[in-house]
Order: sequence, then structure tokens, then C-alpha cells
Amino acid sequence: QQQVKQSPQSLIVQKGGISIINCAYENTAFDYFPWYQQFPGKGPALLIAIRPDVSEKKEGRFTISFNKSAKQFSLHIMDSQPGDSATYFCAPTGSTLTFGKGTMLLVSP
Amino acid sequence: NAGVTQTPKFRVLKTGQSMTLLCAQDMNHEYMYWYRQDPGMGLRLIHYSVGEGTTAKGEVPDGYNVSRLKKQNFLLGLESAAPSQTSVYFCASRPGLAEQYFGPGTRLTVT
Repeated sequence: QQQVKQSPQSLIVQKGGISIINCAYENTAFDYFPWYQQFPGKGPALLIAIRPDVSEKKEGRFTISFNKSAKQFSLHIMDSQPGDSATYFCAPTGSTLTFGKGTMLLVSP
Repeated sequence: NAGVTQTPKFRVLKTGQSMTLLCAQDMNHEYMYWYRQDPGMGLRLIHYSVGEGTTAKGEVPDGYNVSRLKKQNFLLGLESAAPSQTSVYFCASRPGLAEQYFGPGTRLTVT
């Protein structure tokens, strides 16, 4: 049983465009919703996270949108840059946590 | 603070050999985790620990053992390495209900 579904698997966006990655989960006990960013040869690092008491959080060009009733949250990258090219993971968290399978983002110059 | 460190960074083993991967964190975190990362599979949890002296199985524990004798260290052991254990291994720690801090990874090849 797949608890976390992340989509798309890969994404190519032009520089300056908007990148959108989605994460759907089943466990209603999750109460912390982070996105991690991973560059080749490095470990994942927290990019942005949200708690379920708000529906949106923005940090610079990165925004999380959270829909509790639909059990979904998404990452929006505005004005995408080549330096944003990386793999992104959602990892909804409660007493346990589960990583999505990742989205490889390529931002073309 | 060094954060989360992993030793070694690279290793090549022959089938049947054993080895131990060391993870150390200097942030006084209670929770520690071992993951493996394979292409297209994301991060899969091998074992985890919620405190010194405790360990628990994750999603893919077979062929691995762990120990957490000290709060700052979490060891992952392979008793008899198999080619299927060729992977990149990541250790992570977290203080509680918050972000995980990852180490730089260990690239293991089993021939």
C-alpha cells in the first residue's frame, strides 16, 4: 500500500517558468509536511515545510499549498532558475514519516 | 557543529564480506535513521532509532542490523553483503516533530 504518491516523476521547465510538484498522502495522522531538495552527490536538505493549521506558506520563490480535506500538498517554484535543477521529495511526517519517490526537475536555460 | 557525518564515503565489498557504516550527529537529536537510495525508488527506510539503546525496523530491514549504544552514534551493519545491497546509504537525525538532517551519504558497491 503506497502511503505517499508524488507527481510528476520528472519535470522540465524553462528558465523563468513555474514548477509545480504534487504530493498526495493517506495517513491523516501526519502533521508536518516538508519538501526536501537534493542535488546530485549530496544528501537531501529541507527546502520548505508547513504545519496543517495554515493553507499556504511562502518563502522567497518557493510556496507550499496545503489542502487538508484532499490530503494533498504541493510545491510551487516561481521564476524557476537553472540552479533549482535537483530532485525534490515530499515527506509527510507524524510519529512516522514516508518519503515520496521524488521528482527530478530540470530547468533549462 | 559538524551536523551529521557518515563514515566511510565510498566502499567496495565483495559478496559475503561484512562492514559497518558509522553515522554521528552532534546536535543531541533523539531520532536517527538509516535510508538507502536507489534510482527511481526514492529513499527507503532501513532501520531507525527513537533514542539511545532503542532500534526498530523500517521498510527494508532484511540483511541489515543496527545499534545505538550512544545517543550521538547510529551504526548500520551488513553481515554478509550481497550485490542487491549496492546503493547509496544516507543517515539522518531529527530532534522531534521537525525536519530531518541528512548526512552526505555512503556509496557502497558490492561485487
